[in-house]
Amino acid sequence: DARVTQTPRDKVTEMGQEVTMRCQPILGHNTVFWYRQTMMQGLELLAYFRNRAPLDDSGMPKDRFSAEMPDATLATLKIQPSEPRDSAVYFCASGLDWGGTSGGHYNEQFFGPGTRLTVL
Amino acid sequence: AQSVSQHNHHVILSEAASLELGCNYSYGGTVNLFWYVQYPGQHLQLLLKYFSGDPLVKGIKGFEAEFIKSKFSFNLRKPSVQWSDTAEYFCAARRTGGFKTIFGAGTRLFVKA
Repeated sequence: DARVTQTPRDKVTEMGQEVTMRCQPILGHNTVFWYRQTMMQGLELLAYFRNRAPLDDSGMPKDRFSAEMPDATLATLKIQPSEPRDSAVYFCASGLDWGGTSGGHYNEQFFGPGTRLTVL
Repeated sequence: AQSVSQHNHHVILSEAASLELGCNYSYGGTVNLFWYVQYPGQHLQLLLKYFSGDPLVKGIKGFEAEFIKSKFSFNLRKPSVQWSDTAEYFCAARRTGGFKTIFGAGTRLFVKA
């Protein structure tokens, strides 16, 4: 049963520290999404990649957040320096997307278990 | 602007009651529509999806949703809820052929045993 994996599952850090979250998409998927979930804002899209290329990171605070895909099996989301307002659950999702109009597994995202980040 | 609206933020039902969660989307052109469920402490899981064809879509765990194009709606239904359906439900939409999925704010469902 293929799944998206994320590490760490929980992270507690102090303000100003660097935080790196990792995601392993499902093998063969060509799109990766990063979301942030908070009580106040709900589920926000931070960034997404297709074939490892960043297509949109307009949802990310550019001064402190960065997202990369060093290879097809790893996506990273980094916060430097972290702030208390960054406390949230960060989800990674992957999918297989040809941009087509037929059904099947097109346009469907599979979510990882999330990283719960607490910045003190 | 593209958006997805969920009418209810919180719903409380007793077991065996019927469920209908509202969802409206604002998109130009054709869309793909989704309902995801997030059980307490868990990640989002797909309940059902609509791409084309029969507007009445059946998903897992007895859920179904109806796409009504004229109303820009994709409401989720279940005839008889169970305590185990307690979760948060997210409606989502994506322009056909596009990359970006927009999620609604979510509806928290609590089912009383």
